[in-house]
Amino acid sequence: GQNIDQPTEMTATEGAIVQINCTYQTSGFNGLFWYQQHAGEAPTFLSYNVLDGLEEKGRFSSFLSRSKGYSYLLLKELQMKDSASYLCAVRDNTGGFKTIFGAGTRLFVKA
Amino acid sequence: DAGITQSPRHKVTETGTPVTLRCHQTENHRYMYWYRQDPGHGLRLIHYSYGVKDTDKGEVSDGYSVSRSKTEDFLLTLESATSSQTSVYFCAITPGGGRTDTQYFGPGTRLTVL
Repeated sequence: GQNIDQPTEMTATEGAIVQINCTYQTSGFNGLFWYQQHAGEAPTFLSYNVLDGLEEKGRFSSFLSRSKGYSYLLLKELQMKDSASYLCAVRDNTGGFKTIFGAGTRLFVKA
Repeated sequence: DAGITQSPRHKVTETGTPVTLRCHQTENHRYMYWYRQDPGHGLRLIHYSYGVKDTDKGEVSDGYSVSRSKTEDFLLTLESATSSQTSVYFCAITPGGGRTDTQYFGPGTRLTVL
């Protein structure tokens, strides 16, 4: 089967660094995505990993370990506007390509 | 901006009534998707389309039907709405030929079934 686990909520302080973890189980792994979703808005694409290692994009980085079924999203120099939900999603090619979403991690950034 | 609009943005209806949600895109993308989002469940795929008149079911398709008679429009119909279908519905597209198959989402429709 397919399963994605990520923490429900996290709190961090403005200016700090936060790491949001995601573990997944899938039989036909074909890439992992991170999306950001502000309350009442649509998800927006943040990052994509298909090979092991770290992808850096400004203040955001995403890491993947395929052998461990593990990814994390690292947010540096946190800003108040980073308060949002972060969705981990896995692309699975079993029975046709599908994207499976985790329930999301709500991040609260406090002053 | 992937040029995706959804209508209506908000709707309140009663149990047993039919409801149609519309997703419209302006960039001739081949792949379109309907998801629902509920607390604790994340985004779940209802139906998707890979071209005009070509559609397939997702993981939570019971109680929903779709149609795509034109490239730009993907309609989601609840034939007889139930309270369990109260949710936020997102349409998404995947730009063709992209290596990552990143999905881009419309603004969402908040549906309440009383």
